Amino acid sequence: DQQVKQNSPSLSVQEGRISILNCDYTNSMFDYFLWYKKYPAEGPTFLISISSIKDKNEDGRFTVFLNKSAKHLSLHIVPSQPGDSAVYFCAASGTMIYNQGGKLIFGQGTELSVKP
Amino acid sequence: ETGVTQSPTHLIKTRGQQVTLRCSSQSGHNTVSWYQQALGQGPQFIFQYYREEENGRGNFPPRFSGLQFPNYSSELNVNALELDDSALYLCASSLDQGVYGYTFGSGTRLTVV
Repeated sequence: DQQVKQNSPSLSVQEGRISILNCDYTNSMFDYFLWYKKYPAEGPTFLISISSIKDKNEDGRFTVFLNKSAKHLSLHIVPSQPGDSAVYFCAASGTMIYNQGGKLIFGQGTELSVKP
Repeated sequence: ETGVTQSPTHLIKTRGQQVTLRCSSQSGHNTVSWYQQALGQGPQFIFQYYREEENGRGNFPPRFSGLQFPNYSSELNVNALELDDSALYLCASSLDQGVYGYTFGSGTRLTVV
């Protein structure tokens, strides 16, 4: 049972354009969502997060949008840079779910390639 | 401020053997969570340790066990290794069982042959 899904395994974007990475979830108890970036041979690095009480959070070039009714979130990167090329994971947590508040449920990841 | 460190970085074991992976948490963090990332998949939660006790467990068999020490470092032990245990094992530390400020280590790549 995949509670968090990233349906696009890969995405290729031209430098300077917008990258949009999508993520869907099924559990309505999730109330905190995060995006991580991962380079080969490194652990995931935190990018940006959003609480379920918000619908948008922005940090520099990165914006996360949350649509609770659709159980969908997206990460926008504008403008995209070659250094953004990595695997991006979305993750969800149900901080109020008993004994699972510290657990992250990850999607399968989307490999972003930004071409110069 | 030191980050999360994991050792060893790579390991090759034979099916049926036992393995111990180690994790030092980030300074100021008292909670350690372990994840397994198979090739082409996202990380999957194994378990979390807080105040030296297991605090939540994912869908992994009992041959996956762990420990947390008074200095908040942690070990992941896997007994009776199977080929499917080949994966990247990630450790993450945080404060007070939460996911805010979750910081991952670079992982241990385990290959079971």
